[in-house]
Amino acid sequence: GENVEQHPSTLSVQEGDSAVIKCTYSDSASNYFPWYKQELGKRPQLIIDIRSNVGEKKDQRIAVTLNKTAKHFSLHITETQPEDSAVYFCASNSGNTPLVFGKGTRLSVIA
Amino acid sequence: SAVISQKPSRDICQRGTSLTIQCQVDSQVTMMFWYRQQPGQSLTLIATANQGSEATYESGFVIDKFPISRPNLTFSTLTVSNMSPEDSSIYLCSVEGLGVTVGYTFGSGTRLTVV
Repeated sequence: GENVEQHPSTLSVQEGDSAVIKCTYSDSASNYFPWYKQELGKRPQLIIDIRSNVGEKKDQRIAVTLNKTAKHFSLHITETQPEDSAVYFCASNSGNTPLVFGKGTRLSVIA
Repeated sequence: SAVISQKPSRDICQRGTSLTIQCQVDSQVTMMFWYRQQPGQSLTLIATANQGSEATYESGFVIDKFPISRPNLTFSTLTVSNMSPEDSSIYLCSVEGLGVTVGYTFGSGTRLTVV
């Protein structure tokens, strides 16, 4: 089955700097790659996703890139703000298979 | 907008007892999933709840411990049976393609503590 590896497990950045979180996946049939943000005590919220037919997608300060050949995808957050502090999870699946999640990255943005 | 409601939001239970968690969606969805999130950990899929047939369980999870019902396309329950402290966790239901969201939407979660 699918295996998703996520790095780093923790990340601290200064406010205004960029943050990058990377994930690799094992199943070459995977074609959907979402990113979730989970604040303390809350449910995971979808922040951006990408499908395998595109290489990059942007939404304001957030972008996701996908390299299908290398089977890795990354989340980029620019101009980080304290409210970006949370745990971020990558995930992947194919077709109707359930999402498989990475282990998460705890992002701390230091004011 | 479409919503997904989960209850109870939290409970403290005695070991050896069972708890049933409910997940209600206000529109019909094909796929419903149950995840477990242990403290400080990621989300692990327990099972896929199939309407009209038995749930599909992931490795490490069995029907006797986590029986699931899916009587229609808007509702599912997960029971945590014969609980032990190791079952203390957050349990989340999830559906795919709800409202304007293409990906998975999660319920608010049930924080279970077994004492």
